[in-house]
Amino acid sequence: KQEVTQIPAALSVPEGENLVLNCSFTDSAIYNLQWFRQDPGKGLTSLLLIQSSQREQTSGRLNASLDKSSGRSTLYIAASQPGDSATYLCAVSLSGGSNYKLTFGKGTLLTVNP
Amino acid sequence: DVKVTQSSRYLVKRTGEKVFLECVQDMDHENMFWYRQDPGLGLRLIYFSYDVKMKEKGDIPEGYSVSREKKERFSLILESASTNQTSMYLCASSLYYWVRDKSFLRDNEQFFGPGTRLTVL
Repeated sequence: KQEVTQIPAALSVPEGENLVLNCSFTDSAIYNLQWFRQDPGKGLTSLLLIQSSQREQTSGRLNASLDKSSGRSTLYIAASQPGDSATYLCAVSLSGGSNYKLTFGKGTLLTVNP
Repeated sequence: DVKVTQSSRYLVKRTGEKVFLECVQDMDHENMFWYRQDPGLGLRLIYFSYDVKMKEKGDIPEGYSVSREKKERFSLILESASTNQTSMYLCASSLYYWVRDKSFLRDNEQFFGPGTRLTVL
Protein backbone atom coordinates (compact mmCIF):
# COMPACT_ATOMS: atom_id res chain seq x y z
CA LYS A 1 0.00 0.00 0.00
CA GLN A 2 1.39 3.37 -1.02
CA GLU A 3 2.26 5.69 1.85
CA VAL A 4 3.20 9.34 1.45
CA THR A 5 5.12 11.24 4.14
CA GLN A 6 5.81 14.96 4.29
CA ILE A 7 8.51 16.40 6.47
CA PRO A 8 8.47 18.76 8.26
CA ALA A 9 4.85 18.95 9.40
CA ALA A 10 5.27 22.67 10.00
CA LEU A 11 7.84 25.26 8.96
CA SER A 12 8.21 28.93 9.87
CA VAL A 13 10.63 31.15 7.91
CA PRO A 14 11.33 34.86 7.53
CA GLU A 15 10.26 36.59 4.34
CA GLY A 16 12.76 36.33 1.48
CA GLU A 17 14.19 32.98 2.47
CA ASN A 18 14.49 30.11 -0.02
CA LEU A 19 12.99 26.90 1.34
CA VAL A 20 12.50 23.23 0.53
CA LEU A 21 9.53 21.03 1.37
CA ASN A 22 9.99 17.28 1.27
CA CYS A 23 7.75 14.43 0.18
CA SER A 24 8.58 10.72 0.24
CA PHE A 25 6.60 7.73 -1.00
CA THR A 26 7.03 4.01 -0.41
CA ASP A 27 6.12 2.55 -3.83
CA SER A 28 8.27 3.90 -6.67
CA ALA A 29 5.90 2.61 -9.39
CA ILE A 30 4.15 5.95 -9.68
CA TYR A 31 2.29 7.43 -12.64
CA ASN A 32 2.77 11.02 -11.55
CA LEU A 33 3.16 13.28 -8.53
CA GLN A 34 1.21 16.43 -7.85
CA TRP A 35 1.90 19.32 -5.46
CA PHE A 36 -1.03 21.31 -4.08
CA ARG A 37 -1.50 24.37 -1.95
CA GLN A 38 -4.36 24.71 0.53
CA ASP A 39 -5.34 27.90 2.31
CA PRO A 40 -7.22 27.59 5.63
CA GLY A 41 -10.79 26.42 5.12
CA LYS A 42 -10.43 26.30 1.35
CA GLY A 43 -10.03 23.70 -1.39
CA LEU A 44 -6.78 22.54 -2.96
CA THR A 45 -5.03 24.47 -5.70
CA SER A 46 -2.84 22.47 -8.08
CA LEU A 47 0.69 23.92 -8.24
CA LEU A 48 2.77 21.46 -10.24
CA LEU A 49 2.38 18.01 -11.72
CA ILE A 50 5.41 15.84 -12.56
CA GLN A 51 5.01 12.80 -14.76
CA SER A 52 7.01 9.71 -13.78
CA SER A 53 9.30 10.22 -16.79
CA GLN A 54 10.23 13.77 -15.75
CA ARG A 55 12.82 15.00 -13.26
CA GLU A 56 11.42 18.44 -12.50
CA GLN A 57 8.80 21.06 -13.21
CA THR A 58 8.95 24.81 -12.72
CA SER A 59 6.32 27.47 -12.33
CA GLY A 60 7.41 30.97 -11.36
CA ARG A 61 9.19 30.81 -8.00
CA LEU A 62 8.30 27.13 -7.56
CA ASN A 63 10.39 24.19 -8.64
CA ALA A 64 9.43 20.59 -8.00
CA SER A 65 11.85 17.72 -8.47
CA LEU A 66 11.22 13.99 -8.61
CA ASP A 67 13.58 11.11 -7.87
CA LYS A 68 11.41 8.10 -8.50
CA SER A 69 14.01 5.47 -7.65
CA SER A 70 14.55 6.86 -4.16
CA GLY A 71 10.87 7.68 -3.64
CA ARG A 72 11.35 11.40 -3.10
CA SER A 73 10.13 14.74 -4.33
CA THR A 74 11.01 18.25 -3.20
CA LEU A 75 9.20 21.52 -3.66
CA TYR A 76 11.57 24.48 -3.74
CA ILE A 77 10.14 27.94 -3.10
CA ALA A 78 12.42 30.84 -3.96
CA ALA A 79 12.32 34.22 -2.22
CA SER A 80 9.37 33.32 0.01
CA GLN A 81 6.61 35.88 0.65
CA PRO A 82 3.92 36.13 3.37
CA GLY A 83 1.36 35.23 0.69
CA ASP A 84 3.04 31.82 0.37
CA SER A 85 1.77 30.92 3.85
CA ALA A 86 -0.45 27.86 3.44
CA THR A 87 -0.44 24.08 3.76
CA TYR A 88 1.39 22.30 0.95
CA LEU A 89 0.36 18.76 0.07
CA CYS A 90 1.92 16.24 -2.24
CA ALA A 91 0.03 13.36 -3.79
CA VAL A 92 1.07 10.42 -5.95
CA SER A 93 -0.81 8.17 -8.31
CA LEU A 94 0.32 4.65 -9.04
CA SER A 95 0.95 3.36 -12.55
CA GLY A 96 -1.47 0.78 -13.88
CA GLY A 97 -5.24 0.62 -13.91
CA SER A 98 -5.75 2.74 -10.81
CA ASN A 99 -3.67 5.71 -11.93
CA TYR A 100 -6.63 8.00 -11.28
CA LYS A 101 -6.34 7.43 -7.54
CA LEU A 102 -4.21 9.85 -5.54
CA THR A 103 -2.56 9.05 -2.22
CA PHE A 104 -1.96 12.22 -0.22
CA GLY A 105 0.58 13.18 2.38
CA LYS A 106 -0.66 15.02 5.45
CA GLY A 107 0.95 18.26 4.35
CA THR A 108 3.48 20.83 5.53
CA LEU A 109 2.09 23.99 7.14
CA LEU A 110 4.25 26.88 5.96
CA THR A 111 4.29 30.25 7.68
CA VAL A 112 6.29 33.07 6.09
CA ASN A 113 6.81 35.92 8.54
CA PRO A 114 7.05 39.52 7.30
CA ASP B 1 -9.17 27.51 -16.43
CA VAL B 2 -10.90 24.51 -14.94
CA LYS B 3 -13.68 25.42 -12.61
CA VAL B 4 -15.07 23.05 -10.02
CA THR B 5 -17.91 24.42 -7.93
CA GLN B 6 -19.65 23.00 -4.88
CA SER B 7 -23.19 23.87 -3.92
CA SER B 8 -22.50 25.08 -0.37
CA ARG B 9 -19.48 26.38 1.52
CA TYR B 10 -21.02 25.68 4.92
CA LEU B 11 -23.83 23.30 5.86
CA VAL B 12 -25.37 22.41 9.22
CA LYS B 13 -27.61 19.35 9.45
CA ARG B 14 -29.17 17.24 12.15
CA THR B 15 -28.48 13.58 12.88
CA GLY B 16 -30.62 11.32 10.69
CA GLU B 17 -31.21 13.88 7.94
CA LYS B 18 -30.58 13.02 4.31
CA VAL B 19 -27.88 15.33 2.96
CA PHE B 20 -27.00 16.12 -0.65
CA LEU B 21 -23.68 17.68 -1.63
CA GLU B 22 -23.45 18.81 -5.24
CA CYS B 23 -20.39 19.30 -7.41
CA VAL B 24 -20.23 20.72 -10.94
CA GLN B 25 -17.22 21.00 -13.27
CA ASP B 26 -17.08 22.92 -16.53
CA MET B 27 -14.15 21.26 -18.33
CA ASP B 28 -15.82 18.16 -19.73
CA HIS B 29 -13.74 15.92 -17.45
CA GLU B 30 -14.61 12.25 -17.34
CA ASN B 31 -13.35 11.59 -13.81
CA MET B 32 -14.92 13.05 -10.71
CA PHE B 33 -14.08 12.39 -7.07
CA TRP B 34 -15.40 12.97 -3.57
CA TYR B 35 -12.96 13.22 -0.64
CA ARG B 36 -13.29 14.08 2.99
CA GLN B 37 -10.56 15.84 4.92
CA ASP B 38 -10.12 15.53 8.66
CA PRO B 39 -7.36 16.82 10.95
CA GLY B 40 -4.67 14.21 11.45
CA LEU B 41 -6.16 11.88 8.84
CA GLY B 42 -5.59 13.92 5.70
CA LEU B 43 -7.64 13.47 2.54
CA ARG B 44 -9.46 10.20 2.04
CA LEU B 45 -11.30 9.12 -1.10
CA ILE B 46 -14.99 8.33 -0.61
CA TYR B 47 -16.16 7.62 -4.17
CA PHE B 48 -14.93 8.00 -7.71
CA SER B 49 -16.81 8.16 -11.03
CA TYR B 50 -15.20 7.72 -14.45
CA ASP B 51 -18.32 8.22 -16.57
CA VAL B 52 -22.01 8.98 -16.36
CA LYS B 53 -23.76 6.44 -14.14
CA MET B 54 -20.43 4.73 -13.38
CA LYS B 55 -18.96 4.73 -9.88
CA GLU B 56 -16.36 3.00 -7.79
CA LYS B 57 -15.94 2.87 -4.04
CA GLY B 58 -12.97 4.62 -2.57
CA ASP B 59 -11.32 3.98 0.78
CA ILE B 60 -14.22 5.02 3.04
CA PRO B 61 -17.58 4.58 1.23
CA GLU B 62 -19.58 3.43 4.25
CA GLY B 63 -22.51 5.71 5.01
CA TYR B 64 -22.30 7.46 1.63
CA SER B 65 -23.70 7.01 -1.85
CA VAL B 66 -23.20 8.95 -5.07
CA SER B 67 -25.06 9.87 -8.22
CA ARG B 68 -23.77 10.89 -11.63
CA GLU B 69 -26.63 11.47 -14.04
CA LYS B 70 -24.80 14.07 -16.14
CA LYS B 71 -21.13 14.29 -17.03
CA GLU B 72 -20.60 17.65 -15.36
CA ARG B 73 -22.37 16.88 -12.07
CA PHE B 74 -21.43 14.48 -9.27
CA SER B 75 -23.51 14.29 -6.10
CA LEU B 76 -22.57 12.87 -2.73
CA ILE B 77 -25.44 11.63 -0.58
CA LEU B 78 -25.44 10.99 3.14
CA GLU B 79 -28.48 8.75 3.56
CA SER B 80 -28.76 9.32 7.30
CA ALA B 81 -26.26 11.86 8.57
CA SER B 82 -24.31 11.06 11.72
CA THR B 83 -22.04 13.20 13.88
CA ASN B 84 -18.94 11.31 12.71
CA GLN B 85 -19.64 12.61 9.21
CA THR B 86 -18.86 16.15 10.35
CA SER B 87 -15.98 17.05 8.06
CA MET B 88 -14.70 19.09 5.13
CA TYR B 89 -15.88 17.55 1.85
CA LEU B 90 -13.89 18.18 -1.30
CA CYS B 91 -14.85 17.43 -4.88
CA ALA B 92 -12.32 17.07 -7.70
CA SER B 93 -12.25 16.28 -11.41
CA SER B 94 -9.66 15.14 -13.98
CA LEU B 95 -9.36 13.94 -17.55
CA TYR B 96 -9.80 10.20 -18.09
CA TYR B 97 -6.79 9.91 -20.33
CA TRP B 98 -4.30 11.97 -22.25
CA VAL B 99 -6.18 13.61 -25.11
CA ARG B 100 -4.22 14.34 -28.24
CA ASP B 101 -4.89 18.04 -28.22
CA LYS B 102 -4.17 18.43 -24.51
CA SER B 103 -0.76 18.72 -23.00
CA PHE B 104 0.69 15.42 -21.89
CA LEU B 105 2.24 17.30 -19.03
CA ARG B 106 -1.17 17.86 -17.44
CA ASP B 107 -2.44 14.29 -17.83
CA ASN B 108 -4.41 13.03 -14.85
CA GLU B 109 -4.12 16.35 -13.02
CA GLN B 110 -6.87 16.71 -10.41
CA PHE B 111 -8.66 20.03 -9.92
CA PHE B 112 -10.50 20.70 -6.68
CA GLY B 113 -13.55 22.67 -5.68
CA PRO B 114 -13.64 25.12 -2.73
CA GLY B 115 -14.95 22.52 -0.28
CA THR B 116 -18.08 22.17 1.85
CA ARG B 117 -17.72 22.31 5.62
CA LEU B 118 -20.47 20.02 6.92
CA THR B 119 -21.46 19.99 10.58
CA VAL B 120 -23.86 17.31 11.79
CA LEU B 121 -25.46 18.08 15.17
